[in-house]
Amino acid sequence: DIQMTQSPSAMSASVGDSVTITCRASQGISNYLAWFQQKPGKVPKRLIYAASNLESGVPSRFIGSGSGTEFTLTISSLQPEDFATYYCLQHDAYPWTFGQGTKVEIK
Amino acid sequence: QVHLVESGGGVVQPGRSLRLSCAASGFTFSNHAMHWVRQAPGKGLEWMAVISYDGINTYYADSVKGRFTISRDNSKNTLYLQMNGLKPEDTAVYYCARGQTYNGNYLRCFQHWGQGTLVTASS
Repeated sequence: DIQMTQSPSAMSASVGDSVTITCRASQGISNYLAWFQQKPGKVPKRLIYAASNLESGVPSRFIGSGSGTEFTLTISSLQPEDFATYYCLQHDAYPWTFGQGTKVEIK
Repeated sequence: QVHLVESGGGVVQPGRSLRLSCAASGFTFSNHAMHWVRQAPGKGLEWMAVISYDGINTYYADSVKGRFTISRDNSKNTLYLQMNGLKPEDTAVYYCARGQTYNGNYLRCFQHWGQGTLVTASS
């Protein structure tokens, strides 16, 4: 099975900061990776698909990159509505696997 | 628009069974694989199972293999998850999500989720 190691598990940041979240796959997954945002009590929302493609309607401050085994989600200039938990998902091979999540909190 | 509505959750004693349903509308259900994802209270997302567009192929997470069965009825636009031998650690919100198309297009995979249904396995 492919393991997804997501880091950090949590971070504190201020409005206007740039933050980067990393997901590492235990084996190459090409670009079969998506990023999700989840707010408390809400359904996960897909932000990025195919590693670097921005979902329609998602602000351009969300930037996905990477291929193979290392992927990053960068949020440039954090906004108040960006404080949430973020997950990566590999869909290269079954069983699909999510990263453990990164909670972005207000400093 | 795409609409997914889960139902069937509730409180059940460990060892018992429960069947979840996910009613789909707003798209051609029979063209898409469908997935179940769960989230235990205060925990992260866990991918559970997938069924192909035609119901022929299924895959499961190791944690539920042999206990849970995913199925679908394309005539009713409905996805199911039969959960047997429930354990306390199966307590979670269960989401259905639209997956890839019949021809392997992943571009809209997991773009749409249901609101979730809570399953509590407790005595």
